[in-house]
Amino acid sequence: GNSVTQMEGPVTLSEEAFLTINCTYTATGYPSLFWYVQYPGEGLQLLLKATKADDKGSNKGFEATYRKETTSFHLEKGSVQVSDSAVYFCALLSGYSTLTFGKGTMLLVSP
Amino acid sequence: DAGVTQSPTHLIKTRGQQVTLRCSPISGHKSVSWYQQVLGQGPQFIFQYYEKEERGRGNFPDRFSARQFPNYSSELNVNALLLGDSALYLCASTSGVGNTGELFFGEGSRLTVL
Repeated sequence: GNSVTQMEGPVTLSEEAFLTINCTYTATGYPSLFWYVQYPGEGLQLLLKATKADDKGSNKGFEATYRKETTSFHLEKGSVQVSDSAVYFCALLSGYSTLTFGKGTMLLVSP
Repeated sequence: DAGVTQSPTHLIKTRGQQVTLRCSPISGHKSVSWYQQVLGQGPQFIFQYYEKEERGRGNFPDRFSARQFPNYSSELNVNALLLGDSALYLCASTSGVGNTGELFFGEGSRLTVL
């Protein structure tokens, strides 16, 4: 079946550091891939997505590239801010508007 | 515009009881999905409804049921509660047009089963 594996957290960084959160997936075919973010006290919200191989999704300085060769969709940001502290979820489209999520990775950014 | 709203936000039940959670989608959205998020885990798909019809069901026991009303709001019911049902229950809505995976989530209903 479909599954998503994310790196364990928490990831602790200082402000302006480079961020990478690893995500790999197992699926039949080439599903659309997503990163969702959950800020403290808020609902999950879509951060970025990619619908086919080699697509790059980007939003708010975050980027992720759909790599079918390595079945990966790693999240990156060049310079994190304290306001980026949140839990990040990698997900794949596993049915009609149905998502399979990873376990989530908590990011903590200190000033 | 209001986002996805869920009620109640928190509730405590005891084993064997039944619970009903409610969700109002974004105006104009016709599809509602339910997810269970156990502490420290990612959300797991429970149900999806579109135009009052069940479109998908995850790997959950028959104690879990849901329905969608003509105004597109939805209820999730869980019978014979177990300790393991303690979780954050998330509702998400989409327009229902196209298979985009772009879901709009509410803040969830946190259920504690004692």
